[in-house]
Amino acid sequence: DAKTTQPNSMESNEEEPVHLPCNHSTISGTDYIHWYRQLPSQGPEYVIHGLTSNVNNRMASLAIAEDRKSSTLILHRATLRDAAVYYCILLSNDYKLSFGAGTTVTVRA
Amino acid sequence: GAVVSQHPSRVICKSGTSVKIECRSLDFQATTMFWYRQFPKQSLMLMATSNEGSKATYEQGVEKDKFLINHASLTLSTLTVTSAHPEDSSFYICSAIQGRGNTIYFGEGSWLTVV
Repeated sequence: DAKTTQPNSMESNEEEPVHLPCNHSTISGTDYIHWYRQLPSQGPEYVIHGLTSNVNNRMASLAIAEDRKSSTLILHRATLRDAAVYYCILLSNDYKLSFGAGTTVTVRA
Repeated sequence: GAVVSQHPSRVICKSGTSVKIECRSLDFQATTMFWYRQFPKQSLMLMATSNEGSKATYEQGVEKDKFLINHASLTLSTLTVTSAHPEDSSFYICSAIQGRGNTIYFGEGSWLTVV
């Protein structure tokens, strides 16, 4: 099964962009890349997902490397409400999930 | 939008008893549901994957006889913690997906405290 690796933590200033990397070097060609974020004592919240092409939505952008062995979640202008743990999750063809420990994002006012 | 709901959100039970947590997809049919547990300040840990009408697939190290998962319909999966002990106290989360290219929707989570 594919594995994901994320940095433990990342800090940002308010109004600045945040780039969250995820390595998934053993990803297969049909694995979807999902990003979720979680606040304490809450279920994770959907952020974005994609397969091969870069994706944009109102929350964030997802940049997927050409070889798909890594991806980057981009929060364009961080706000205090973006402080959370961000998980990069792979979903395989047979519905197997693979995810790591997540990145704790701290946003400084 | 699609919503996944868990019930109860908090439950306290006595050691040795069983407790059931429900996970419902409210406005879509979930072909696959996932169950996780999470200890304070730790990452999500996938416990099992269940498909409607078939047996759940448990992750390594998860006791299937202790954590019974039933996915009887396309909108409901249940997790029963049998003979609960204080070390089973944790935050239990479910998620559901309609199709592989779609969003995975997470429930709000259920706090279990075994006393």
